[in-house]
Amino acid sequence: KAGVTQTPRYLIKTRGQQVTLSCSPISGHRSVSWYQQTPGQGLQFLFEYFSETQRNKGNFPGRFSGRQFSNSRSEMNVSTLELGDSALYLCASRQTVPSTGELFFGEGSRLTVL
Amino acid sequence: AQKVTQAQTEISVVEKEDVTLDCVYETRDTTYYLFWYKQPPSGELVFLIRRNSFDEQNEISGRYSWNFQKSTSSFNFTITASQVVDSAVYFCALSEGIGQFYFGTGTSLTVIP
Repeated sequence: KAGVTQTPRYLIKTRGQQVTLSCSPISGHRSVSWYQQTPGQGLQFLFEYFSETQRNKGNFPGRFSGRQFSNSRSEMNVSTLELGDSALYLCASRQTVPSTGELFFGEGSRLTVL
Repeated sequence: AQKVTQAQTEISVVEKEDVTLDCVYETRDTTYYLFWYKQPPSGELVFLIRRNSFDEQNEISGRYSWNFQKSTSSFNFTITASQVVDSAVYFCALSEGIGQFYFGTGTSLTVIP
């Protein structure tokens, strides 16, 4: 069974640009969550989607948005990039919501903002 | 306030030594779930264990063992006879049911050959 797949793995952007990251969950998993990982803040929750609906949202500005498609694939978008947005963005999936099960993570998309 | 605290930022041990990674959590819920994840340099968080709040039984899986104590709100992780492949960042996490996971800041473990 293929794991969670994230693309692109690495990208470099400049301030003010926007970026879109993609995540394909494990087959059969309908919930996708996004986390931002930085050395200073650790792992912080961005949002969770289930059946194309945002179920939960973390404390991030509106520049961070996401969506989920009918095939459970998800994208997150960051507009008007700032230097502080440089981070590893991790996507995770689980089978359903509500769920108390573990999250399965992808390898992440490492974003560098110059 | 941090819901999950991993006070040890970095630990170095010599191969074959035992090492314990500490995790202290904070929640008012009676039903919650605790997790440990391993993050190798590749970046992917690898699930290690899930424990619910009603099951305080300790668990052993090969060289790994976990000690869950509700009285001290701790969920510690011990690696016995450490190996170089154990070098990674380890995260403890808390889920208060169906919502988001709260992660600790991680403990970077280096096993020296």
